[in-house]
Amino acid sequence: AQSVTQLGSHVSVSEGALVLLRCNYSSSVPPYLFWYVQYPNQGLQLLLKYTSAATLVKGINGFEAEFKKSETSFHLTKPSAHMSDAAEYFCAVSDPRSYIPTFGRGTSLIVHP
Amino acid sequence: DADVTQTPRNRITKTGKRIMLECSQTKGHDRMYWYRQDPGLGLRLIYYSFDVKDINKGEISDGYSVSRQAQAKFSLSLESAIPNQTALYFCATSDLLEGTGELFFGEGSRLTVL
Repeated sequence: AQSVTQLGSHVSVSEGALVLLRCNYSSSVPPYLFWYVQYPNQGLQLLLKYTSAATLVKGINGFEAEFKKSETSFHLTKPSAHMSDAAEYFCAVSDPRSYIPTFGRGTSLIVHP
Repeated sequence: DADVTQTPRNRITKTGKRIMLECSQTKGHDRMYWYRQDPGLGLRLIYYSFDVKDINKGEISDGYSVSRQAQAKFSLSLESAIPNQTALYFCATSDLLEGTGELFFGEGSRLTVL
């Protein structure tokens, strides 16, 4: 069985500060990993995904994430937060056998001026 | 037009009523999913379908049923709605040939059961 743990239901940063959203996963086989973003009153959209090609994955809007197998982590970062980054962020893991994703509980990113 | 369309976007109903949420997609994907989102609980899988004749229960299927009317259409029904089914429901699709399980989501259907 696979699972995802997102540390911190809320993360608050100042505009221009580093964004770090944490995700740890559990999977019995090498997984596929995703970060999705949900802006208010919208559906989820893909930020980036890890598919075993490169451990550092770059996504849209300046976000990136690094796959660390030894730590079973896939943390999301952005060097400088923007007000428009305020949203809910979900980490997900997909079993390479069934391709059915399991989601974390989400982290709400709050950006202060 | 959106690739994954959900109707209705908002619905308020009463306990005991039958409700259907509909989803249609133009992406040509074979796989379709229904998820439920609750604050603090993330997204939980209700049902998924790999093709028209293949429908499977997810982790929280009790109280729900689904129908895959065509490759492009996947509807979710609540036979007798109860207040704890108040939630935001998402339909999603994925392409088996893409090979990772990346999901494409609709805009969501917000259901309130009084």
